[in-house]
Amino acid sequence: EVQLVESGGGLVKPGGSLRLSCAASEFTFSGYSMSWVRQAPGKGLEWVSSISSSSSYIYYTDSVKGRFTISRDNAKNSLFLQMDSLRAEDTAVYFCARVQGYTLTSPMDYWGQGTLVTVSS
Amino acid sequence: EIVLTQSPGTLSLSPGERAALSCRASQAVSSSYLAWYQQKPGQAPRLLIYGASSRAAGVPDRFSGGGSGTDFTLTISRLEPEDFALYYCQQYGGSPPITFGPGTKLEIK
Repeated sequence: EVQLVESGGGLVKPGGSLRLSCAASEFTFSGYSMSWVRQAPGKGLEWVSSISSSSSYIYYTDSVKGRFTISRDNAKNSLFLQMDSLRAEDTAVYFCARVQGYTLTSPMDYWGQGTLVTVSS
Repeated sequence: EIVLTQSPGTLSLSPGERAALSCRASQAVSSSYLAWYQQKPGQAPRLLIYGASSRAAGVPDRFSGGGSGTDFTLTISRLEPEDFALYYCQQYGGSPPITFGPGTKLEIK
């Protein structure tokens, strides 16, 4: 069974940084694009960023461009999200998800359980 | 950016009834690149439907998707107790951003 396990969330002050990790197992990680999706408390889903299988293509939602950096290490079956200059509005549960299809924007067929990021002074 | 609107915001039905959830896009969704997800409290979303009408692996056949252009529907033919949850539509045209609708809460009447 495909497994995605996020880690690295926590409480951080505005302007601070966090690095989220997602450990993947039970599938060929290097063959799939991956995404980060977040959900603010009591709110809906918001796509954050996606990265192609070889890291050749990367997309971000406008609100995180210049502040967040997505990356991956295929040798270690891991996905990362470096979050800098954090704001209160970045407070959310962050999910990593596997992209199902051939395009970077395809649906996400497997999701981790999420890691909570709280930005507060 | 394509904006998605879902209706109703909350749908109250009883087990065994039929549910129809609507998702409307602000502009045509190319190639029916529309997906539906189910989310239960404290859980990650689960992909139900992609390509507007294709069921994801393991999804019961009581779930079906339809529509094209700007209007899409998720239908649950006979509600089971485990179907009461939040449902989100998502468009995923060839270019970002990927956008989600605000969700429909399906609750037990």
